[in-house]
Amino acid sequence: DAGVIQSPRHEVTEMGQEVTLRCKPISGHNSLFWYRQTMMRGLELLIYFNNNVPIDDSGMPEDRFSAKMPNASFSTLKIQPSEPRDSAVYFCASLAVNTEAFFGQGTRLTVV
Amino acid sequence: GQSLEQPSEVTAVEGAIVQINCTYQTSGFYGLSWYQQHDGGAPTFLSYNALDGLEETGRFSSFLSRSDSYGYLLLQELQMKDSASYFCAVSNTGKLIFGQGTTLQVKP
Repeated sequence: DAGVIQSPRHEVTEMGQEVTLRCKPISGHNSLFWYRQTMMRGLELLIYFNNNVPIDDSGMPEDRFSAKMPNASFSTLKIQPSEPRDSAVYFCASLAVNTEAFFGQGTRLTVV
Repeated sequence: GQSLEQPSEVTAVEGAIVQINCTYQTSGFYGLSWYQQHDGGAPTFLSYNALDGLEETGRFSSFLSRSDSYGYLLLQELQMKDSASYFCAVSNTGKLIFGQGTTLQVKP
């Protein structure tokens, strides 16, 4: 397996634009997590899915953020409209059992 | 809610041993994990403790005391390549919550 695949790796966008981040988890993993990492706030859990169902989205900062997992092999995190304070590295991670999570390489988002 | 505390920075010399502590508060605790992250990279799994005691994997060991809500990561025979950030994380009813991370600097 190629591991967790995220796209794009880098995204630069203007304030107010819609941004969509994509994630392909490892096949067979039934949990998927979206994290945001900044120097100030560390690794924040935004939302996690189990068997494609959103279980806990209490970390989603506000209504501008939304996430979907239409099937077991694909998830998206959307920010609309984007703001400069959304600039961060966004990671997707998947895991099969309650032990080891595998992270994608992340999407570095810059909102100008 | 959940909270984890770990030191923000640790410095050690090559060949030495360093211990990174982690205390946590959470409900529905399943286990404590450790992850390593190099600058510009993604977190990678190091170890997981579900039960009390010590788990050893090569130069790295991890310890858990559930009664004390405490764990640590022990790195032995430090190498320059061990310079990175180290995160403890609690597994909690399906969620994986990370601490703020400890930046380890290994000096020659």
